[in-house]
This record gives sequence, C-alpha cells and structure tokens, in this order.
Amino acid sequence: GAVVSQHPSWVICKSGTSVKIECRSLDFQATTMFWYRQFPKQSLMLMATSNEGSKATYEQGVEKDKFLINHASLTLSTLTVTSAHPEDSSFYICSATKGPYEQYFGPGTRLTVT
Amino acid sequence: GQQVMQIPQYQHVQEGEDFTTYCNSSTTLSNIQWYKQRPGGHPVFLIQLVKSGEVKKQKRLTFQFGEAKKNSSLHITATQTTDVGTYFCAGSGNTGKLIFGQGTTLQVKP
Repeated sequence: GAVVSQHPSWVICKSGTSVKIECRSLDFQATTMFWYRQFPKQSLMLMATSNEGSKATYEQGVEKDKFLINHASLTLSTLTVTSAHPEDSSFYICSATKGPYEQYFGPGTRLTVT
Repeated sequence: GQQVMQIPQYQHVQEGEDFTTYCNSSTTLSNIQWYKQRPGGHPVFLIQLVKSGEVKKQKRLTFQFGEAKKNSSLHITATQTTDVGTYFCAGSGNTGKLIFGQGTTLQVKP
C-alpha cells in the first residue's frame, strides 16, 4: 500500500500564532511531497513542492516566509503557518509520490484561525 | 501558466443514469490523472492516462485521453449512490506537478 498520514487532523489557533502540520509517508519513501490548500467546495491549489534535503519550490503567490516547509527525511515533511490570520483558515492537504506520477494524499488538516 | 478546466461543476442524476465530466487543458499534458473525493474526505487516486487516445475502464467507469493530450473525460455508466463525490482531473506536465481542475460534484438520487 501507500499510506500518508497528517497530524493534526484539525487545529484551532489564535490569530498571530504559528501552527505546524506534519505529513508522513508510512509505508514508503517519498521522493517528493506536495502541499495543497483547499477552500470549501473548491479545488486543490498547489502551494509548494518539497524534496528531501532541498528547499521547497513555492507556487506563484504563495509566501514562503509565511508557509515554511521543511522536508526532514524521505518520510516526513512539515508545513508551518507562521503568524496565522483568519484568512489562512483552510483545509491543508499533503501528498507524496513514490514514482513519477501517482500521488497519495493525506487525510488533510483543517485549520481554523480565530 | 497551465490551466485545467473541468465541466460541469455540479451534476445531479437519478440512480441508474449515466454521468460524464470533461476536462480541458490549456497546454499539452504528459499525463492526466483522475481522483475522487468523498464529502469530508481526501482525494483518492482513480487512474492515470498517458498515451494519446488512450481509453481505460474500471468496472462502470470509462476514462479517455484525447488524441492531442489536452482533454479527457470520465464517464460513469448506470450511476449508484456510492458514486457520490467530487471527481477531479489533474494534468501533469514534465515537472510532475499536478494542476487540478475545479472538480465536478456528483449527486445521485436514489
């Protein structure tokens, strides 16, 4: 199989604080991990591409200083939302690949900033 | 930049009716993938199409990739209530990065 986990599954934080989301590939080594953001009833928007041991590649319009990505190992990538604001409230989903194409998605993390 | 358009946005069908969603890319794709997301869930990989004109079937689902590798479709025959969810196409260029379509949300009335 190819299982990807995310932690936490949901989090509520106060405006101005930072939140870290973990993405783990449980039974395979992921060559690449992706971070997406999904607003209610909308599609997935790619935020950044993360490769182990190198800096993440951010999509246009995504602030790299606000959304810090650390790809510590072939099974772990983290996304830290710094100085969160209510407009950062969203569903954050990671995915991991072990081959050239198919992506395996995590269950997502619902972030609410109050 | 590359864009992937998907229509329709919503589709309500009676159980047993057929359903089709269409996907169009602004650029030629190296491959196209289809995912299904159930309400409250995360996207689950259904299939990948790579070859021009390719057609693949999974039970009642038929996937097609256009000759120009810029469009694709998913057709479900005789829908069931278990088919409910949002179907996303996602196109990939040479980088492996996926660009998702807007999704088609399917509702099936029993």
